[in-house]
Amino acid sequence: GNSVTQMEGPVTLSEEAFLTINCTYTATGYPSLFWYVQYPGEGLQLLLKATKADDKGSNKGFEATYRKETTSFHLEKGSVQVSDSAVYFCALWNNNDMRFGAGTRLTVKP
Amino acid sequence: GAVVSQHPSRVICKSGTSVKIECRSLDFQATTMFWYRQFPKQSLMLMATSNEGSKATYEQGVEKDKFLINHASLTLSTLTVTSAHPEDSSFYICSASSANTEAFFGQGTRLTVV
Repeated sequence: GNSVTQMEGPVTLSEEAFLTINCTYTATGYPSLFWYVQYPGEGLQLLLKATKADDKGSNKGFEATYRKETTSFHLEKGSVQVSDSAVYFCALWNNNDMRFGAGTRLTVKP
Repeated sequence: GAVVSQHPSRVICKSGTSVKIECRSLDFQATTMFWYRQFPKQSLMLMATSNEGSKATYEQGVEKDKFLINHASLTLSTLTVTSAHPEDSSFYICSASSANTEAFFGQGTRLTVV
């Protein structure tokens, strides 16, 4: 079946630090991969996505590369800001089925 | 991206009453809709998947008589929490997809049962 394993949090960083949140997946075929962000009290917002191997999704300074050989889609940002504090979810879409990782809470301190 | 509207965003109800949550795809036809539940500081738990015109498929452990899902049209799905109790208080999120494209999410509904 489809599943997503995501690095557990919480993660606390200082402003301008480098961020990596690990995500690996299990799926048959060729899933699409996503990162969603959830700010306090709000729903999910799509942050970035990649639909095939070696694709790189990017948005707002965040990047993730679809690595089929390692079944990974790690989220990175070179310099985080306080406003990036949120919960980040890795997700997989495959055969009309969407699965989420457990979520990683990021707190960025000034 | 496509727009999915979920209503209401917040609802407070008395224990024992039923609450209906609507999920609408505003600019596309949603052949499939998904309902999730999120407990505080936890991930999304898929409750059920519904295809237009057919019965919803519930995940293991989700009571179908408790959480009634209707997907009567290509733009609307509803989740009714029947005889709600305080333990049903949670954040409910819907998503919608069409023709095997990615799913788009509603804003979520925070249900509080008192």
